[in-house]
Amino acid sequence: QSALTQPASVSGSPGQSITISCTGTSSDVGTYNYVSWYQHHPGKAPKVMIYDVSKRPSGVSNRFSGSKSGNSASLTISGLQAEDEADYFCCSYAGGGYVVVFGGGTKLTVL
Amino acid sequence: QVQLQESGPGLVKPSETLSLNCTVSGGSISTYYWSWIRQPPGKGLEWIGNILYSGSTNYNPSLKSRVTMSVDTSKNQFSLRLSSVTTADTAVYYCARGEWWFDPWGQGTLVTVSS
Repeated sequence: QSALTQPASVSGSPGQSITISCTGTSSDVGTYNYVSWYQHHPGKAPKVMIYDVSKRPSGVSNRFSGSKSGNSASLTISGLQAEDEADYFCCSYAGGGYVVVFGGGTKLTVL
Repeated sequence: QVQLQESGPGLVKPSETLSLNCTVSGGSISTYYWSWIRQPPGKGLEWIGNILYSGSTNYNPSLKSRVTMSVDTSKNQFSLRLSSVTTADTAVYYCARGEWWFDPWGQGTLVTVSS
C-alpha cells in the first residue's frame, strides 16, 4: 500500500482540463512544500512535471500546474492532448528520519 | 544534458545480493544527491534511498537493514546493494538525480528475483 493516495484512473477529452488528487497526511504533504509530480510513459524514464508543490521545470508546458491544500495536493492538466496520456505519480518528502513517499499512480486516459 | 543509465544483473537468486550501478553522463556526480527508486510489477513507486557525492546516505527505514549505497566519483557512478533479496524485491529499479524531487531519471532496469 502506497503512502500517498491517488485515484487509480482519470479520463478526459482533448481540450478539457483534469485534476489528479494526491492525499497524504500531516506528516508529509500537510507539513512540507516538497510535493512533486511525474509523468510516466511505460518503458520510458519518468519525467518531472511539477516540484515544490507548484514549480514547473524548464521545458514543461504551462498546461501543467500544481497546488496544495491541507494534506492533499493536486495536479491539473489543462487543454488535454493525446500525448498527455500516461501514468502520473505524486511524491512528497516526509521528514521524520528522512523519508520520501510516493503515490500509487494514476492512469490518465485521453478519450 | 545529464543522462543516467542503470546496469547490473537482471536475475538474482533469493537470499543473494542485488547489485546495480548508475552511470552519470553529461555532468559531474560531484554535486547533488543521487537516488534509487523502484517499482514492483503492477504497483507504485518506492523510494529506496539517496546518496550525496561525499558519501552521506539516507535510506528508506523499511529497507535500511538491507541497503547499502556508494559513490565512485572517479567513474561518475553510484551504486546500490540490496542484500537477502526475496521475490518481493522483483521490480524495475530506477536511478535518478535529486534529494526529494527527481530529475532526470534513468530508463530503469528490471531485476527479477527467482531461483
